[in-house]
Amino acid sequence: EIVLTQSPGTLSLSPGDRATLSCRASQSVTSNYLAWYKQKPGQAPRLLIYGASSRATGIPDRFSGSGSGTDFTLTISGLEPEDFAVYYCQQYGSSPGTFGQGTKLEIK
Amino acid sequence: EVQLVQSGAEVKKPGESLKISCQGSGYSFTIYWIGWVRQMPGKGLEWVGIIYPGDSDTIYSPSFQGQVTISADKSISTAFLQWSSLKASDTAMYYCARGPLTTVTPYFDYWGQGTLVTVSS
Repeated sequence: EIVLTQSPGTLSLSPGDRATLSCRASQSVTSNYLAWYKQKPGQAPRLLIYGASSRATGIPDRFSGSGSGTDFTLTISGLEPEDFAVYYCQQYGSSPGTFGQGTKLEIK
Repeated sequence: EVQLVQSGAEVKKPGESLKISCQGSGYSFTIYWIGWVRQMPGKGLEWVGIIYPGDSDTIYSPSFQGQVTISADKSISTAFLQWSSLKASDTAMYYCARGPLTTVTPYFDYWGQGTLVTVSS
């Protein structure tokens, strides 16, 4: 199965900053089938990005995804207070689907 | 409005059996995958498995194969995750989620609220 490694483990930034989160796959992700989710404490995850770069319904355009093959990035431009959360990547091009271990985005 | 409503929290003893549920509404239940995702206390997300209610095609993660059973009853738009003999290490939050029919396995666009399973003697 494909192993996803997210970095950094924790990212400390201030509101208004730009956040760059990385997700690296152990082998190429088929057709760039890579999704990103956000999870706040006590809540279910929420889909942000699918297909590496397509925003899900209702997701603001400060969230953007990029990358291909084995290296993917989630960028959040102009952090809002509600953006501080844990972010997970998931590949769904190969079975079984797998998640990264998460990046915690915390307020500096 | 798409909704996935999961059954309530459970407290069980080791060795007991359990079946939790996830009812979908607001969409055609048979043409989307339903996936199950485990989150152990303070930990990340783990892909358990998926089922396609239209034909009951089921895929398990190797880590969970033989440990759980995923099923669905399309007549009541409900998917299930069950254990025949629980272990303390099954203690976790379990989420169900809807997956569009995209490729071999889906991403998850709508999620249930989660079912907390606690296994303790």
